[in-house]
Amino acid sequence: DAGVIQSPRHEVTEMGQEVTLRCKPISGHNSLFWYRQTMMRGLELLIYFNNNVPIDDSGMPEDRFSAKMPNASFSTLKIQPSEPRDSAVYFCASSVGTGGQPQHFGDGTRLSIL
Amino acid sequence: AQKVTQAQTEISVVEKEDVTLDCVYETRDTTYYLFWYKQPPSGELVFLIRRNSFDEQNEISGRYSWNFQKSTSSFNFTITASQVVDSAVYFCALNFLAGGSRLTFGEGTQLTVNP
Repeated sequence: DAGVIQSPRHEVTEMGQEVTLRCKPISGHNSLFWYRQTMMRGLELLIYFNNNVPIDDSGMPEDRFSAKMPNASFSTLKIQPSEPRDSAVYFCASSVGTGGQPQHFGDGTRLSIL
Repeated sequence: AQKVTQAQTEISVVEKEDVTLDCVYETRDTTYYLFWYKQPPSGELVFLIRRNSFDEQNEISGRYSWNFQKSTSSFNFTITASQVVDSAVYFCALNFLAGGSRLTFGEGTQLTVNP
């Protein structure tokens, strides 16, 4: 069975550029999560969707970050304009339902903003 | 406030030793779930186990075992006869139902198993 698929695996770009990260959740999972991992802050939830609807975006750092889920099999996390402090590993995860269900993670996107 | 504490930042053992990773949590909710995830050097996060707050039964899966004690708010993870492939960062996480699906992660414990 295919797991959560993220692309790209690595992204290096210059500050000020727009960055788009992509995620395909596990088929049949109706909750999708975006996390960011840094040495300073550890793993932190940015936003999550249930049935394609954003439920909690309180972790989104600022207006430069936006996330969409146009359908059950695809989500994007966009940063515009990007800044060096956005450098991190971004994980997408999915689960069946909400509240207490195991979240299954993708391999992550390692983002470097120069 | 919800919080997960993994006091051990790094642990180093020799192969075949047993090792216990500690996890202490704080929550005011009576219904919650605890998780352990493994992050090997390749970077992905692998789900290991889930426990709900009403089930204090310990669990064993091969060389892995988990000890859940509500009285001490702890959910510790033991690896028996450790192997080099167990080297990874291990995260404990908490989900409380009132918080929706938000997972609160501990800071992680870096386990190194030396041959």
